[in-house]
Amino acid sequence: ELKVEQNPLFLSMQEGKNYTIYCNYSTTSDRLYWYRQDPGKSLESLFVLLSNGAVKQEGRLMASLDTKARLSTLHITAAVHDLSATYFCAVGSNYQLIWGAGTKLIIKP
Amino acid sequence: GAVVSQHPSWVICKSGTSVKIECRSLDFQATTMFWYRQFPKQSLMLMATSNEGSKATYEQGVEKDKFLINHASLTLSTLTVTSAHPEDSSFYICSARSFRDNSYNEQFFGPGTRLTVL
Repeated sequence: ELKVEQNPLFLSMQEGKNYTIYCNYSTTSDRLYWYRQDPGKSLESLFVLLSNGAVKQEGRLMASLDTKARLSTLHITAAVHDLSATYFCAVGSNYQLIWGAGTKLIIKP
Repeated sequence: GAVVSQHPSWVICKSGTSVKIECRSLDFQATTMFWYRQFPKQSLMLMATSNEGSKATYEQGVEKDKFLINHASLTLSTLTVTSAHPEDSSFYICSARSFRDNSYNEQFFGPGTRLTVL
């Protein structure tokens, strides 16, 4: 059974700092997704990672995938308040997605 | 492209009534649609997977007679919460998977429906 673990579950940090969110999964998968969710809203797709060593960057967010270690990271560089949200990783299993618990990120000015 | 809409976005109803939520893929055909439920401060919980023209596949613990799913066309799926009770209050999110070759198997998410049962 595929399980997905995110770490940490909650993170409060100050603007300008860097931090990394981790997503571990238990069995082989060929795709991993990162989503953002603002309070009361649905999910916004951030990154789709398909191959070992894949690295994608959008603004201050960078995601990477290591399929051998079954690990994906979401790195935040020089955080700004607008990045405050809950971030989910999800791993593809057949046509379904197996979800991490989410990381609630609060960035203080 | 790949826009999914949900209607209504927020509904408040009395206990015992039924509520229907619509999920539409606006600019693509969706072979498969997924219904999720999300409680406050929790992750998404897959309720069921629906394929156009066939019966939905429900996840363990989800009552199919309580949560009726109809996927009548390639662009529309509906979730009906029958005889709703306060414990059914939640945020319901649908997603759709494209009919065309979708090498990412990516799901596109609707904006969600917040259901409050009094």
